[in-house]
Amino acid sequence: QVQLQESGPGLVKPSETLSLTCTVSGGSISSYYWSWIRQPPGKGLEWIGYIHYSGSTNYNPSLKSRVTMSVDTSKNQFSLKLSSVTAADTALYFCARSDHYYDSSGYDYWGQGTLVTVSS
Amino acid sequence: SYELTQPPSVSVSPGQTARITCSADALPKQYAYWYQQKPGQAPVLVIYKDSERPSGIPERFSGSSSGTTVTLTISGVQAEDEADYYCQSADSSGTYLWVFGGGTKLTVL
Repeated sequence: QVQLQESGPGLVKPSETLSLTCTVSGGSISSYYWSWIRQPPGKGLEWIGYIHYSGSTNYNPSLKSRVTMSVDTSKNQFSLKLSSVTAADTALYFCARSDHYYDSSGYDYWGQGTLVTVSS
Repeated sequence: SYELTQPPSVSVSPGQTARITCSADALPKQYAYWYQQKPGQAPVLVIYKDSERPSGIPERFSGSSSGTTVTLTISGVQAEDEADYYCQSADSSGTYLWVFGGGTKLTVL
């Protein structure tokens, strides 16, 4: 059974960089697309972007200037960095898996989510 | 920016049929996906590629597409179906940017 687990600081200061890692267990990170999705408290889901195990990426245009995603196949992990954070970046951050970027079978596995609060 | 439009809320009595819609210009060209999210939990995929149901999802969940609108139908709604439902799709510009709808709160009366 594939499992995803987000990890990283739960509190980040304004203007600093948010860094999260998603560890994949029970399956290989290869051959899939790995996404980050966030959900501000009491609000809806927002797609941040995805990274392929090969390293190719696609980001939400509204966040693109601040987002960097990377993948470490040797550790079965992928990561998110979001720079220059503000209170508006406070959210529950999920990682999720899909089999393709086009005509996929959807996000079939999700992490439990990790809450990141931006505050001084 | 590309947007998917959902009604904020839908209410039904147990045993009735709930229909949740999602509208956008690109939906005739792009598949839609539906997720169920209960409080404090990660979303769960209930429909993919407009009308396919993942294994383990009850048969009362179905999806359909007509023009610029896709619909999630829950037949014989049960109390456990009360949740937020989100549609997801991609734009049709070739950039494959994914987007979620604003979500619909399904209340079982």
